[in-house]
Amino acid sequence: DGGITQSPKYLFRKEGQNVTLSCEQNLNHDAMYWYRQDPGQGLRLIYYSQIVNDFQKGDIAEGYSVSREKKESFPLTVTSAQKNPTAFYLCASSETGRGGRRTETQYFGPGTRLLVL
Amino acid sequence: GDSVTQMEGPVTLSEEAFLTINCTYTATGYPSLFWYVQYPGEGLQLLLKATKADDKGSNKGFEATYRKETTSFHLEKGSVQVSDSAVYFCALRGQAGTALIFGKGTTLSVSS
Repeated sequence: DGGITQSPKYLFRKEGQNVTLSCEQNLNHDAMYWYRQDPGQGLRLIYYSQIVNDFQKGDIAEGYSVSREKKESFPLTVTSAQKNPTAFYLCASSETGRGGRRTETQYFGPGTRLLVL
Repeated sequence: GDSVTQMEGPVTLSEEAFLTINCTYTATGYPSLFWYVQYPGEGLQLLLKATKADDKGSNKGFEATYRKETTSFHLEKGSVQVSDSAVYFCALRGQAGTALIFGKGTTLSVSS
């Protein structure tokens, strides 16, 4: 079955620690995204990547880092600089639209809940 | 910049009631519009989408029509079920954009 997997489902971070959230897709999608979800705030874009070895900051990139060394993988690192990391993190992927209109659908993984100890 | 505004919840209905969740947007040009649904503890699933004015997206009894003149994409269902209880997100992708812009979500609770 094609889809997006995220691991772990729950992650605990200690003060001053960096943690990495995994996101893998086997949909052969070029584009991948990381969103952060807080209660009552909807989803906000952290980083996105349209192609391997390239990525762009989203609206709330401070305190986060990413890499895109393989098409299938887009890990997110929450660094110690992120002072309020407790949230639900969602990874998504999509085909890259060709032509003028971007109508492609984004598919989401099951999410990782990050909690601070 | 582009934005999406959804009606605030929670919305509480009895089974078989009619559902409307309002969504309006601000965007230049002709964005694509989406409704996603999130069940407790899970990621988002695409419910329906529309890519041009007057398009109607539909799925699982839910419908939404892309209204350019009122910049709206309201979600409707004629008869809700308990299993429809979830959080519903309206989203858009602008012509120049790459990622989605989401509304804050509307929680729907359906009781039997």
